[in-house]
Amino acid sequence: NAGVTQTPKFQVLKTGQSMTLQCAQDMNHEYMSWYRQDPGMGLRLIHYSVGAGITDQGEVPNGYNVSRSTTEDFPLRLLSAAPSQTSVYFCASSYSTGTNQKAFFGQGTRLTVV
Amino acid sequence: TQLLEQSPQFLSIQEGENLTVYCNSSSVFSSLQWYRQEPGEGPVLLVTVVTGGEVKKLKRLTFQFGDARKDSSLHITAAQPGDTGLYLCAVSGNTPLVFGKGTRLSVIA
Repeated sequence: NAGVTQTPKFQVLKTGQSMTLQCAQDMNHEYMSWYRQDPGMGLRLIHYSVGAGITDQGEVPNGYNVSRSTTEDFPLRLLSAAPSQTSVYFCASSYSTGTNQKAFFGQGTRLTVV
Repeated sequence: TQLLEQSPQFLSIQEGENLTVYCNSSSVFSSLQWYRQEPGEGPVLLVTVVTGGEVKKLKRLTFQFGDARKDSSLHITAAQPGDTGLYLCAVSGNTPLVFGKGTRLSVIA
């Protein structure tokens, strides 16, 4: 009963390095999203996908890339890490009930950029 | 401008006390959700309210959707240390969830 799996749980990067945060879901959900959570800022949407091959930008997309080649996987790429990207990152998968979505979150990746 | 305003931002209470937290907006929503996030974990859906004036209960938690569908409240009766966490309201339609900044609740034994 895995649900949404994020890896790694913790990561330290040097400024300028690149990396990929992995997210996989086994619930066959159409929607997947990436959020970052910073103190006092709540959860802010980075990128999202409404299905394989379809992605779109959220509120804070700069410095991040995504792709959705399969329904299950939605990796988030940091192209050139900056200290401002120090945050906790959450991946979510969700399905639509018509009037709203029911979302399931991973446990998060805590990223520090030094 | 934040779509969803949550208050209070922080709340620290003694075990056994009652409390209410709020989620307000100037926009009308077809539905609103409440999530709870425990330290080191992702948010978990508690409830979805859909109808104006609707009241839903989940054990000691009571959720209400405003008559005009612009606001919601969460009332906890006889709070316990296990209720400690970040309570988030969120709205969605055909778009990804948009969250308020949350109320961080600490229940002290």
